[in-house]
Amino acid sequence: KQEVTQIPAALSVPEGENLVLNCSFTDSAIYNLQWFRQDPGKGLTSLLLIQSSQREQTSGRLNASLDKSSGRSTLYIAASQPGDSATYLCAVTSTPLVFGKGTRLSVIA
Amino acid sequence: NAGVTQTPKFRVLKTGQSMTLLCAQDMNHEYMYWYRQDPGMGLRLIHYSVGEGTTAKGEVPDGYNVSRLKKQNFLLGLESAAPSQTSVYFCASRRTGDGEKLFFGSGTQLSVL
Repeated sequence: KQEVTQIPAALSVPEGENLVLNCSFTDSAIYNLQWFRQDPGKGLTSLLLIQSSQREQTSGRLNASLDKSSGRSTLYIAASQPGDSATYLCAVTSTPLVFGKGTRLSVIA
Repeated sequence: NAGVTQTPKFRVLKTGQSMTLLCAQDMNHEYMYWYRQDPGMGLRLIHYSVGEGTTAKGEVPDGYNVSRLKKQNFLLGLESAAPSQTSVYFCASRRTGDGEKLFFGSGTQLSVL
């Protein structure tokens, strides 16, 4: 059974800092991995999707990497801003998606 | 485009009552999903559908039923609500294919007293 773990569960950083969120999964037989953002009381918004054949994806200040062999993905956020404060979840598609419990990020102005 | 729309947004039920949650998507997506989100438990899949007329059980299907009579709609039913079903319910959809992103609705907050 696929299990997805995100560490740390919560993170607080000062504005402007670069940061890395971690995601690990137990079964490397995945189709893709997605990173989502969830604001309080809202649904999830897909940030980046990395297919199993890819190593990384970039969107603006966000960069996600995937290492299937080690069962790990990272989400790198450059020059963090208070507006980045949210919970970030990763999900792997085996069949179907399996979510991690998320990392709650606070960026302090 | 509205994307994925869930109704209602909030609901309070008494134990034993029944209700149906509606999910509608206007993106012509094949795949649709129902998740519940609970503190400390993360998102857990209840049921999903890979096309009109098809449904399948997810991780936590007990106490729920679903139907996908039309491609754009995915209904989640609670026949006899229990306090353990108090949760936030999310619907999601996507196209077929390994590189397709998942789109979520804004959620339904359900309380069962």
